[in-house]
Amino acid sequence: DARVTQTPRHKVTEMGQEVTMRCQPILGHNTVFWYRQTMMQGLELLAYFRNRAPLDDSGMPKDRFSAEMPDATLATLKIQPSEPRDSAVYFCASGTTPKGVRTKNIQYFGAGTRLSVL
Amino acid sequence: ELKVEQNPLFLSMQEGKNYTIYCNYSTTSDRLYWYRQDPGKSLESLFVLLSNGAVKQEGRLMASLDTKARLSTLHITAAVHDLSATYFCAVDTTSGTYKYIFGTGTRLKVLA
Repeated sequence: DARVTQTPRHKVTEMGQEVTMRCQPILGHNTVFWYRQTMMQGLELLAYFRNRAPLDDSGMPKDRFSAEMPDATLATLKIQPSEPRDSAVYFCASGTTPKGVRTKNIQYFGAGTRLSVL
Repeated sequence: ELKVEQNPLFLSMQEGKNYTIYCNYSTTSDRLYWYRQDPGKSLESLFVLLSNGAVKQEGRLMASLDTKARLSTLHITAAVHDLSATYFCAVDTTSGTYKYIFGTGTRLKVLA
């Protein structure tokens, strides 16, 4: 049963601490997305990788957030230093680049990391 | 800039009733998706609509797409409690980046 795996599932930390979230995309998928979900802002795209290369991180606060893909099986999202306003659920999703206009581009979501910054 | 709007934001309905959720988007797109999210859970893909006039059905849910009107609908027939969830539409940008823009979500509660 192929799935996107995210760790940790829950994280409680104090303001100023570094937070690292990890994502293992579905084997064979070449696109990875990081989203943040809050009640106020809904689902926001933070970063997007294709074939491990960052394509778009315009949604990510650059001063404290960073996203990387050290290899095809691991994507990371780091916050340093963390702030209470970063409290949210962070989702990773993976997919494959569509082959044409009429082909699907489904993103498969992980279970999320629920982050609380005190 | 592509914007995606859903309405209503909240929907409380009785079991057995029919209702429609609307998803409007602001610019041309090749693909539209519907996802379901249960409370505290992940997002699950429901439908993919790839062309004008596309209609997909699964159980009590039916999704359709009108690209000329830039409108997709998710119709619920004879609602049951198990359909209670938040439903999101997402539109695929045409810029070649294949990233989604999500709607605000519609929180559906089906009352027994």
